[in-house]
Amino acid sequence: TQTVSQSDAHVTVFEGDSVELRCNYSYGGSIYLSWYIQHHGRGLQFLLKYYSGNPVVQGVNGFEAEFSKSDSSFHLRKASVHWSDSAVYFCAVSHTGGADRLTFGKGTQLIIQP
Amino acid sequence: AQTIHQWPVAEIKAVGSPLSLGCTIKGKSSPNLYWYWQATGGTLQQLFYSITVGQVESVVQLNLSASRPKDDQFILSTEKLLLSHSGFYLCAWGQNSGNTLYFGEGSRLIVV
Repeated sequence: TQTVSQSDAHVTVFEGDSVELRCNYSYGGSIYLSWYIQHHGRGLQFLLKYYSGNPVVQGVNGFEAEFSKSDSSFHLRKASVHWSDSAVYFCAVSHTGGADRLTFGKGTQLIIQP
Repeated sequence: AQTIHQWPVAEIKAVGSPLSLGCTIKGKSSPNLYWYWQATGGTLQQLFYSITVGQVESVVQLNLSASRPKDDQFILSTEKLLLSHSGFYLCAWGQNSGNTLYFGEGSRLIVV
């Protein structure tokens, strides 16, 4: 059984700051890792994913994430946040390619202060 | 381009009343379809998924049922609502390869 943990319920930064949102997973085999964003009252939108290859993956709107097998992590980063990045971010893990058991973390709310 | 539409956008229903939430996907043939429930705290719980027309797999039991009457349609329903059914219901589609889900805008349900 795969599990995913997002240790920070809230992260607050100023506009223009860099940010890292943490995600740790637990699974012994090959996995798919992904990040989604949810603006208030809206559906989730896919940001990026990793399965193999380059451990740093680029997503939309300047987001990137880095896979670390040794740390069992897939942290999301952005060099300079904009107020529109205020949202809840979900990390997700699946051990299959079909998403029939896509497990989401509890989410991290990113708050951008002006 | 693929589009996913959920209806209704929001509902306020009485305990014990029936419920039907719908989801339609256009522009994608034979997608995998999913229903998720999101409580007020934000945690996402997968409820059902469907690989093909007429087949639905239940992930958790919440006194809800789902059906896939057409390739592009996924319905979530119950005959008797409970207070605990309140929340945000999200429909999503995906493919067997790629492990990426595409979500609708959700249906907010308040049970009173």
